[in-house]
This record gives sequence, C-alpha cells and structure tokens, in this order.
Amino acid sequence: TQLLEQSPQFLSIQEGENLTVYCNSSSVFSSLQWYRQEPGEGPVLLVTVVTGGEVKKLKRLTFQFGDARKDSSLHITAAQPGDTGLYLCAGRPRNRDDKIIFGKGTRLHILP
Amino acid sequence: GAGVSQSPSNKVTEKGKDVELRCDPISGHTALYWYRQSLGQGLEFLIYFQGNSAPDKSGLPSDRFSAERTGGSVSTLTIQRTQQEDSAVYLCASSWGGVRAYNEQFFGPGTRLTVL
Repeated sequence: TQLLEQSPQFLSIQEGENLTVYCNSSSVFSSLQWYRQEPGEGPVLLVTVVTGGEVKKLKRLTFQFGDARKDSSLHITAAQPGDTGLYLCAGRPRNRDDKIIFGKGTRLHILP
Repeated sequence: GAGVSQSPSNKVTEKGKDVELRCDPISGHTALYWYRQSLGQGLEFLIYFQGNSAPDKSGLPSDRFSAERTGGSVSTLTIQRTQQEDSAVYLCASSWGGVRAYNEQFFGPGTRLTVL
C-alpha cells in the first residue's frame, strides 16, 4: 500500500512566521501535487512537481520534490492569515500512475 | 467559465435510505473522479471515469456504492441503504484526462452527507 504521510497534522502560528510542512512516503512517485482546501470548498491545485530535486516558487510558497521522488515539502515565508487552510499533497505512484493518492493533510491556522 | 458543480450541497437522510449525489464536470474534461472526505481526514478515492473506458471502481468501499457517468459528462454517485459511517463530504473532480503526470484536477464544492 502506497501512503503519503503528511506532517504536522495541525499547525497554528503567528502571522509573519515561517513554516514548513512535509509529505513523505516509502514509495516513488512520478509526480506530486499540493492542493489547498478552504472550509466548504473543494481543494485547489497550488503546484505540480515532476522532477526529482525540483524546486518551485509561488510567491511566498516554496515547494520541493525530493531527489528520490519519495517526499516533498512546502515552505511558507512570512505566513499571512489568508494562508489558513488544509494543505493536501497528492501523488501518482511510479508503478501505478493511473492512480492518485492523497495524504490526510496539514491543517494550518495563521493567527493575526 | 463554469467550474465543477455538485448537488445537493447538503443532504440529510435516515439510515437505510438511498441517496443520489450529482456531479457536473467542466465541459470537455474526459476524466471524472469521486472522493470521500471524512471529518479531519484527507481524500479517499472512490471511483474514476476516463472517457469511454471501463471505470476504475477499486476505491468503492462496498457494493452499496455505485456510480454512473452518462454521455461522458454528468455523473451520479448512488449510495444504497445508507449507514451512519457513510456520513462525509463527497467531492467530485474533473480533469483533461489521460494519465499525464501533471493533469490538474478541478474540484467541486462537495456534497455534505449526514446519515442520521
């Protein structure tokens, strides 16, 4: 069974602080995506990473795909209340890339 | 343009009743997915439709769950003889399809199902 473990499960920090959340697996993925979900809405794609070691930046968000394509991280600089939400990682296993597996998410709360 | 829509947005039903949840994907998207999200949990894959291919039903938790996609567009997820553990948000997503590694899934707002 291929699992994506996300950590931490919950994170509450003050506005302006930096944070990193993680998505880890023992399996190799052909690609990995990060989504953000706000209450009452469906998840919205933030980024897709495909190449091992890839780093992508989206304003204050930095996404990294591990060299072995088994893990990923999301780093937020100077967090703002608008960053509050559930961050989900989703991956396509290398041996079953017709499947998409979601982690359980990190619930982030930024205090003003 | 219109995104993915789902109806109803909320459904309260009694244990043992059947329910139907509807998903209208983005026009032109050939792939359609159903997920279940329980409180505080991530997304649990249920079923995947791709064009005219046989659907991938590997995520359906029991034979009480079924789904159809008519004319390659609208999909209906049916839960028969609902149980309290079926209570969750049911999310539908569509994408351009195929198994390209970077297809973006566009999600609807979900249907919140409560089984009393």
